[in-house]
Amino acid sequence: AQSVSQHNHHVILSEAASLELGCNYSYGGTVNLFWYVQYPGQHLQLLLKYFSGDPLVKGIKGFEAEFIKSKFSFNLRKPSVQWSDTAEYFCAVNAGRDDKIIFGKGTRLHILP
Amino acid sequence: NAGVTQTPKFRVLKTGQSMTLLCAQDMNHEYMYWYRQDPGMGLRLIHYSVGEGTTAKGEVPDGYNVSRLKKQNFLLGLESAAPSQTSVYFCASSYLGYSNQPQHFGDGTRLSIL
Repeated sequence: AQSVSQHNHHVILSEAASLELGCNYSYGGTVNLFWYVQYPGQHLQLLLKYFSGDPLVKGIKGFEAEFIKSKFSFNLRKPSVQWSDTAEYFCAVNAGRDDKIIFGKGTRLHILP
Repeated sequence: NAGVTQTPKFRVLKTGQSMTLLCAQDMNHEYMYWYRQDPGMGLRLIHYSVGEGTTAKGEVPDGYNVSRLKKQNFLLGLESAAPSQTSVYFCASSYLGYSNQPQHFGDGTRLSIL
C-alpha cells in the first residue's frame, strides 16, 4: 500500500531563513504529488503539484518542490520564509490510477518574527 | 463562489447520540471525500465517493456511514457517537480522483463527543 512520510513534525525557523521540508513516498509506479498548506484555523489549500515534466515545480507564495524519482522524494523548499508562512504543511500522493490521495502526517512550521 | 461548504461548523454531542454532517459542493465534481484530522495524525480518509450513488471505505471507516444521493452532496453519519470520534472533519471534492486535479477542501467541522 502506498504511504507518505514527512520526517519533520515540527520546525521552528527565524524570518528570512531557508526552508526545506522532507517528503518521501512508497510506490514504484507513476505518482501525482501535492503539497498542501493549512493556515491556523483554515482549511487545506493547494501549494503546488507535480504530475509530469519538469521535476522542479514552482507553486504559490514562493514555494517550490523537487521530485526526485530515484529517492522517492518530493521535498518542499522556500529560500526565505516569512512570519506569514507559519502553518501546517502536508505532503500527499496519488499513486497510479487510484481514486484516493494519501496524506502525510503533516509538518507544523513556526516562523519567529 | 462557494466551493465546498460544510455544516455545521461546530457541534458537541454526548456519547451515544447520532448526527449527520453535510458537505455540499457547487463545482460539479465527481469525487467527494470525508477526512478526519487529529493532532499528529495528519488527514485520514474515512469514506469517499466516486460519483452519485456510490460510496467506498477509506482508511478509518468504522463507526461512520455515508451517502451520496445527489452529486453535489456527501453526508457523513455517526450512528452512535464515541469520544474517540472527537476530531475535526474535512470534506473535499475533486473533478476526478486519479487525474491531475487537486482536492478542494471545506472549512471543517469541529466535533466534540463528551
